[in-house]
Amino acid sequence: AQTVTQSQPEMSVQEAETVTLSCTYDTSENNYYLFWYKQPPSRQMILVIRQEAYKQQNATENRFSVNFQKAAKSFSLKISDSQLGDTAMYFCAFIRSGGGADGLTFGKGTHLIIQP
Amino acid sequence: NAGVMQNPRHLVRRRGQEARLRCSPMKGHSHVYWYRQLPEEGLKFMVYLQKENIIDESGMPKERFSAEFPKEGPSILRIQQVVRGDSAAYFCASSPGATDTQYFGPGTRLTVL
Repeated sequence: AQTVTQSQPEMSVQEAETVTLSCTYDTSENNYYLFWYKQPPSRQMILVIRQEAYKQQNATENRFSVNFQKAAKSFSLKISDSQLGDTAMYFCAFIRSGGGADGLTFGKGTHLIIQP
Repeated sequence: NAGVMQNPRHLVRRRGQEARLRCSPMKGHSHVYWYRQLPEEGLKFMVYLQKENIIDESGMPKERFSAEFPKEGPSILRIQQVVRGDSAAYFCASSPGATDTQYFGPGTRLTVL
């Protein structure tokens, strides 16, 4: 079974600062996918970024980028030039490739607060 | 292109009643997943379905819970004889393939009185 750990229950930064959310996972699989999802107060789950484990290059989506360290089983999310609208719960998630069975395994989340 | 649709958005049931939660996947998506989110927790996988088939239900309680995804119509998560501990947000996600990105609906918040 896979586990995902987010060790920061809450973080708070000033608008325009850069913030990094950490995530570690444990698996015996070699092929898998990692995700960051955002859940704003509306409770909608919104995909932020996706990383394939077989790719060495870190994924980037505009202000969002990841630092994927496969050997260390670490998958952190960096948000640059943070905005008030980035305030949300952020969940790290894992799914093994080859069928999708078990669905996504989520961490407990990090509550990110962007202060004006 | 409409996203994943879930209804109702809010559902209130008394203990012992049945709850039916509906999920219409995105157009072109044949894979549906159900997750449950308890307060202050992450989402927990319940069941994975493809059209007319349950692929994995390892996360679903053995009793009172069932899910289906018929050939026509939405996927249904059914909870019989609800108890207070069933109060949670239930999310549906869909994807075009098994390892493709899952897109989530807005969730159904179930409250059991």
